[in-house]
Amino acid sequence: GENVEQHPSTLSVQEGDSAVIKCTYSDSASNYFPWYKQELGKRPQLIIDIRSNVGEKKDQRIAVTLNKTAKHFSLHITETQPEDSAVYFCAARKYNFNKFYFGSGTKLNVKP
Amino acid sequence: KAGVTQTPRYLIKTRGQQVTLSCSPISGHRSVSWYQQTPGQGLQFLFEYFSETQRNKGNFPGRFSGRQFSNSRSEMNVSTLELGDSALYLCASSLATGLAGVVGELFFGEGSRLTVL
Repeated sequence: GENVEQHPSTLSVQEGDSAVIKCTYSDSASNYFPWYKQELGKRPQLIIDIRSNVGEKKDQRIAVTLNKTAKHFSLHITETQPEDSAVYFCAARKYNFNKFYFGSGTKLNVKP
Repeated sequence: KAGVTQTPRYLIKTRGQQVTLSCSPISGHRSVSWYQQTPGQGLQFLFEYFSETQRNKGNFPGRFSGRQFSNSRSEMNVSTLELGDSALYLCASSLATGLAGVVGELFFGEGSRLTVL
């Protein structure tokens, strides 16, 4: 089956700095890669996603890049703000299977 | 539109007991998935139901089971509880139809936090 690894497990940045979280996956059949944000005590919510036919996608301060050859994808957050503090999960899904494999999460702390 | 609703939100059980958790998906969503969330392990896929049929299954023992009703509501059951079953159980619904290439965003509920003593 698929195996998704996520690094780092914790990340502390100063407000205004950039943050990068990286994930690797093992199954080349995976073709959809979402990122979820989970604030303390709340439900995970989708913040951005990318499909395997796209190399990069941006949404304001958030971007995701995908390297299919190397089987890794990354989340980039620019101009971080304290409200970005949360746990971020990457995930991978295979074509036509509604079964998501999640990374173990990255706890991002943005210091004001 | 109401979000995904899970009940109960918190429960405490003892080893050997069984538990049933309930999930009401977003109206119109026919796919319901269950995930177990534990510290450091991320989210582990349990199973997915679509139109009352289990369509995908994770690597959990047979003590974990589920079902889906005709109104898309779903329940999961854990029998003979063990200490290691303590976790947050998240339900997620989506519009994924199973048609080739149709990807549905997962909408999560707030979870049911199970503590096994």
